[in-house]
Amino acid sequence: AQSVTQLDSQVPVFEEAPVELRCNYSSSVSVYLFWYVQYPNQGLQLLLKYLSGSTLVKGINGFEAEFNKSQTSFHLRKPSVHISDTAEYFCAVSDRGSSNTGKLIFGQGTTLQVKP
Amino acid sequence: NAGVTQTPKFRVLKTGQSMTLLCAQDMNHEYMYWYRQDPGMGLRLIHYSVGEGTTAKGEVPDGYNVSRLKKQNFLLGLESAAPSQTSVYFCASISGVSGYTFGSGTRLTVV
Repeated sequence: AQSVTQLDSQVPVFEEAPVELRCNYSSSVSVYLFWYVQYPNQGLQLLLKYLSGSTLVKGINGFEAEFNKSQTSFHLRKPSVHISDTAEYFCAVSDRGSSNTGKLIFGQGTTLQVKP
Repeated sequence: NAGVTQTPKFRVLKTGQSMTLLCAQDMNHEYMYWYRQDPGMGLRLIHYSVGEGTTAKGEVPDGYNVSRLKKQNFLLGLESAAPSQTSVYFCASISGVSGYTFGSGTRLTVV
């Protein structure tokens, strides 16, 4: 069975400071990895995804994440945050095996609070 | 516009009442999913479907039923609503491994 742990439930940060949102996963098979963002009272929007190839993945709005297979992590980073980045962020994994049903397993979410 | 449409967007039910949430997609996607979102718990999979006429249980299926009679529609039913089913429900469909599209959600309150 797969599981995802987001290590921080809330991350407060000042505007223009760098931020890292941590995600660790557990799986007995190879996985695809995703980060989603949810703005207040809205649905989920894909930030970035790791399918294969380069372990450094760049996404929208200046975010990037690095896949570390040995540490089973997929941390999300941004060098300089804006007030508009205030939102909830979800890490998710999906089985890439032959029996893949496309199911996403989500972490608990991290609330990023950007302060002026 | 192409995408995933959920109806209704909001609903208040009394304990014991029944209702059906509708998810419709116009992208010809094979796979469809129902998730519920609760504070501090992320999104959890209720049921999913890998094609017309097929359904399967996810992590938290108890108290819910689903049907996929047409490829474009995935219905989620609550036969006898309970306060524990107060949540935000999201439908999603996919094309290939990375093409997840989520609906805008249904906020359900059971009193």
